[in-house]
Amino acid sequence: EVQLVESGGGLVQPGRSLRLTCRGSGFTFGNHSMTWVRQAPGKGLEWVGFIRSRGHGGTTEYAASVKGRFTISRDDSKSVAYLQMNSLKTEDTAVYYCSKSRYFPHYWGQGALVTVSA
Amino acid sequence: DIVMTQTPLSLSVTPGQTASITCKSSQSLLFSDGKTYLSWYLQKPGQSPQLLIYEVSNLFSGVPDRFSGSGSGTDFTLKISRVEAEDVGVFYCMQSIQLPIIFGQGTRLEIK
Repeated sequence: EVQLVESGGGLVQPGRSLRLTCRGSGFTFGNHSMTWVRQAPGKGLEWVGFIRSRGHGGTTEYAASVKGRFTISRDDSKSVAYLQMNSLKTEDTAVYYCSKSRYFPHYWGQGALVTVSA
Repeated sequence: DIVMTQTPLSLSVTPGQTASITCKSSQSLLFSDGKTYLSWYLQKPGQSPQLLIYEVSNLFSGVPDRFSGSGSGTDFTLKISRVEAEDVGVFYCMQSIQLPIIFGQGTRLEIK
């Protein structure tokens, strides 16, 4: 059974950093791109970015709203993907989901709540 | 950026009836590989989004065949036949032909 579990969410002050972890199981993690999507309270879904599999270069793509502040990385030996969030803003407050694949994200985690507030 | 426009933004359906949601993209979602990069998601209350349909009309594993997708180019439709109480939630279309990946605004389905 494919499972994705996010962790690392919490309350953080504006300007500070936070790192989310997405741990996958039930599939060959290293063979798949991993996507991050967020959802602000009461709002719709917003794509954050993804990281390609190592076989496709392991490169990353980001939404304009987070580019330069957020970094996605992966450690296939541990079946984890990371979302490093720096210079956080209040508008980054959201539930952050990781999901498998880039073109049609499927199998989503339960989400990690990140609250940016003074 | 591609703009994804869903209509309606909300609908109320009697159990057993059919619901339809339309999604229009500002650019064609047909890629040179012959695939159309349009998918549909359902987010049930308190849950993570779940993939229903990919490439316009392909049902994802485990999704009931009451759900169906159609369309081409820039105009797409999600149809839910024989609506059930468990179908309540917010439906999103999503384009992944071009970065940034964009979701529609969402369509809230409630049961009468």
